Amino acid sequence: AQKVTQAQTEISVVEKEDVTLDCVYETRDTTYYLFWYKQPPSGELVFLIRRNSFDEQNEISGRYSWNFQKSTSSFNFTITASQVVDSAVYFCALSGGVNRDDKIIFGKGTRLHILP
Amino acid sequence: DTAVSQTPKYLVTQMGNDKSIKCEQNLGHDTMYWYKQDSKKFLKIMFSYNNKELIINETVPNRFSPKSPDKAHLNLHINSLELGDSAVYFCASSQEGGVLADTQYFGPGTRLTVL
Repeated sequence: AQKVTQAQTEISVVEKEDVTLDCVYETRDTTYYLFWYKQPPSGELVFLIRRNSFDEQNEISGRYSWNFQKSTSSFNFTITASQVVDSAVYFCALSGGVNRDDKIIFGKGTRLHILP
Repeated sequence: DTAVSQTPKYLVTQMGNDKSIKCEQNLGHDTMYWYKQDSKKFLKIMFSYNNKELIINETVPNRFSPKSPDKAHLNLHINSLELGDSAVYFCASSQEGGVLADTQYFGPGTRLTVL
């Protein structure tokens, strides 16, 4: 069975600090995909990144970076020089990528507070 | 311009009523989904359709029935609403479902409150 664990329920940091959101996943599939979504206070779900299991290169997009490590089944997300606008709930998610009925399994989310 | 749109954004209704939530996507995607997000923010898939064909049908009460008149629309009809149905319902779409796990793009959500 597939599972996504975001052990940090809530994190608070002061603006400009760096913060890392942890994501650990479980799957028996060799082909799978990992995602991060952001849900700001306004409620919409915003796609941030999609990674497949064969691409372990770390990714950087502006202040955001992702560290994918298959050896530890982790896909962690780091925000550098955090800003108040980064305050949101962040979801890590996992999907198989072989069958039509593969579905995305979401973690329970990490609520991030950036304090001014 | 909105890629995935849902109506209404808010829905307040009495127990026992029947209601529908509409979803439309203009991304040209083949697959659409309904998710439920509970008060603890837990997101769970309910249904997916690919080109009007039901692909994923999670264990939800049969009071919930999706309807896909065409691949750009996926509506959710709920009969005999119960207090526990109160949640935010998200529609999403992706180019292809399952295989290749294409990125899903979400609508703004519909907050359903059952009194």
